[in-house]
Amino acid sequence: EAGVAQSPRYKIIEKRQSVAFWCNPISGHATLYWYQQILGQGPKLLIQFQNNGVVDDSQLPKDRFSAERLKGVDSTLKIQPAKLEDSAVYLCASSYHGGAEDTQYFGPGTRLTVL
Amino acid sequence: LAKTTQPISMDSYEGQEVNITCSHNNIATNDYITWYQQFPSQGPRFIIQGYKTKVTNEVASLFIPADRKSSTLSLPRVSLSDTAVYYCLVGGLTGGGNKLTFGTGTQLKVEL
Repeated sequence: EAGVAQSPRYKIIEKRQSVAFWCNPISGHATLYWYQQILGQGPKLLIQFQNNGVVDDSQLPKDRFSAERLKGVDSTLKIQPAKLEDSAVYLCASSYHGGAEDTQYFGPGTRLTVL
Repeated sequence: LAKTTQPISMDSYEGQEVNITCSHNNIATNDYITWYQQFPSQGPRFIIQGYKTKVTNEVASLFIPADRKSSTLSLPRVSLSDTAVYYCLVGGLTGGGNKLTFGTGTQLKVEL
């Protein structure tokens, strides 16, 4: 079974530029998550999708971050404009149905460096 | 959301059993306890999950006392490859979905 795919793996941009990350979840998984992991910290949930609807985006900085999951499969996370403090690893995860006992499967992440 | 507290770091030697305890005093009735492992430059990986008592799988055991206010991840006979960060998560369905919060985790270092 293929895992969660993410691209690119690394991205370096200058502040105020825009950047987008792509995620392809495990086939058949209805729930998709985007996390931000700053160096030395645990992952922080940014947004959670159930199929193509948003379940939770309470920690998403909506003035600069946006995410979509068209057709309930792939997802993109965008930052516009980027700030220095956005430097982090952005992790995508998916789970079968998003239940309390559901296992989340993580992708390898995209390491973003903002200069 | 239930907050978790776990040691920042632990050291061990190959072949020893390692027990990492996590406290979660305000765990809710419908919350599960889940442990993830993360290696550098990789996403977290599921290790084990439980609701109460003891759960065992091929890589670890999870001990949960009756009051569920803490849990202990037990790794039998660790090896160098078990050096990683271990996260304890407590979460359940709360209105808008499955709320899971990662803490800072426990950095386990295994030496020869």
